[in-house]
Amino acid sequence: ETGVTQSPTHLIKTRGQQVTLRCSSQSGHNTVSWYQQALGQGPQFIFQYYREEENGRGNFPPRFSGLQFPNYSSELNVNALELDDSALYLCASSLSSGDSLQNSYEQYFGPGTRLTVT
Amino acid sequence: AQKVTQAQTEISVVEKEDVTLDCVYETRDTTYYLFWYKQPPSGELVFLIRRNSFDEQNEISGRYSWNFQKSTSSFNFTITASQVVDSAVYFCALSPDREGANSKLTFGKGITLSVRP
Repeated sequence: ETGVTQSPTHLIKTRGQQVTLRCSSQSGHNTVSWYQQALGQGPQFIFQYYREEENGRGNFPPRFSGLQFPNYSSELNVNALELDDSALYLCASSLSSGDSLQNSYEQYFGPGTRLTVT
Repeated sequence: AQKVTQAQTEISVVEKEDVTLDCVYETRDTTYYLFWYKQPPSGELVFLIRRNSFDEQNEISGRYSWNFQKSTSSFNFTITASQVVDSAVYFCALSPDREGANSKLTFGKGITLSVRP
């Protein structure tokens, strides 16, 4: 069973630039969630993707956007980077069954992408 | 609104001591899930346990045990006979049931546990 993988591991960008982070979900999982973890804080929910559509969003501005592909992998895009975007970005995959998502199972996290904005 | 409070920020113990990590939560949902995750220095969050709000039975898994008390909105985690490998940041998290068991996890700020040899 393949676990959740993320790329790149580390990334350094300049304020105002754009960045794309990638996540491959665990084998058999169809739901992907993204979290931002600032230094010394708990992860904050950004959004979740199910069936290639956004399914719920946290308190993040529209410059944070995402995609989910038919193979359930996902991308997180951040435009107009700000210094406060520096954080560990975590991807989590889970298995959801049925249209209501009432049967989601445990979320398994990837190792994260450390983004530094200078 | 949901909230998870982990009042302890850092705990340091000597190997073989028992240690309890506290977690208090707030939610208006009648059904919800509670979780504990471990984050070692590598950064990856490791799932430890999920507990449904219907089930208040305590759970034991090896050296780990969890005490869920709905009356006090607490979900505490005890490590018995701690080991150096237990050193990590531990997060308590909460999710609503109505949107799927694992959607929108709300995390506490985490507790840094250091176990000294």
